[in-house]
Amino acid sequence: SQTIHQWPATLVQPVGSPLSLECTVEGTSNPNLYWYRQAAGRGLQLLFYSVGIGQISSEVPQNLSASRPQDRQFILSSKKLLLSDSGFYLCAWSVPYWTGSGLARSKTDHEQYFGPGTRLTVT
Amino acid sequence: AQTVTQSQPEMSVQEAETVTLSCTYDTSESNYYLFWYKQPPSRQMILVIRQEAYKQQNATENRFSVNFQKAAKSFSLKISDSQLGDTAMYFCAYQGGSEKLVFGKGTKLTVNP
Repeated sequence: SQTIHQWPATLVQPVGSPLSLECTVEGTSNPNLYWYRQAAGRGLQLLFYSVGIGQISSEVPQNLSASRPQDRQFILSSKKLLLSDSGFYLCAWSVPYWTGSGLARSKTDHEQYFGPGTRLTVT
Repeated sequence: AQTVTQSQPEMSVQEAETVTLSCTYDTSESNYYLFWYKQPPSRQMILVIRQEAYKQQNATENRFSVNFQKAAKSFSLKISDSQLGDTAMYFCAYQGGSEKLVFGKGTKLTVNP
């Protein structure tokens, strides 16, 4: 069965310090990977998603970045944290599959499965 | 752009009773998927139920069922025989051709003993 891990679970960092959050998935190959942020009492905001190694799409401009050095590893980073970076960070995965045939063949995916999250407090 | 609206920020229900959470969405796509996710106090997001837009039959998972009204763009979640463990934030989510999930802002459900 597939599992997703995130660490650390909790992190307190001063303003201006660097950040590295890690997410790994087990039990599947070539998943789509996602980073979300959830501010207190609010919904989820998609930050980055990746369809393969080294392929990163950014959804919102910010001082965060993401990397995917291995197929099942997704890292969220920052060189200098801001107070506004505080929040709950969730990693998610989904398994894409192919539909259609020939020129109409396309890749899609559906439900996403989430990790346990990292609570980041920037002080 | 697609939007998902959950008009009930908070709801409460007595244990063993039934509660319905509302969700509406806006889209011009014809093929899409809808989901309900549950986020308990532990904050782990858990998939509760999914509905494929091309299926007319409402999805059901044990005590959880949906009322999918495609023309009205409505996707409500019914929880029957509510249990204390159902206390959580519930998020409605839409996925269309872009493959990205669009979430509503959530409904906080409290089940009272």
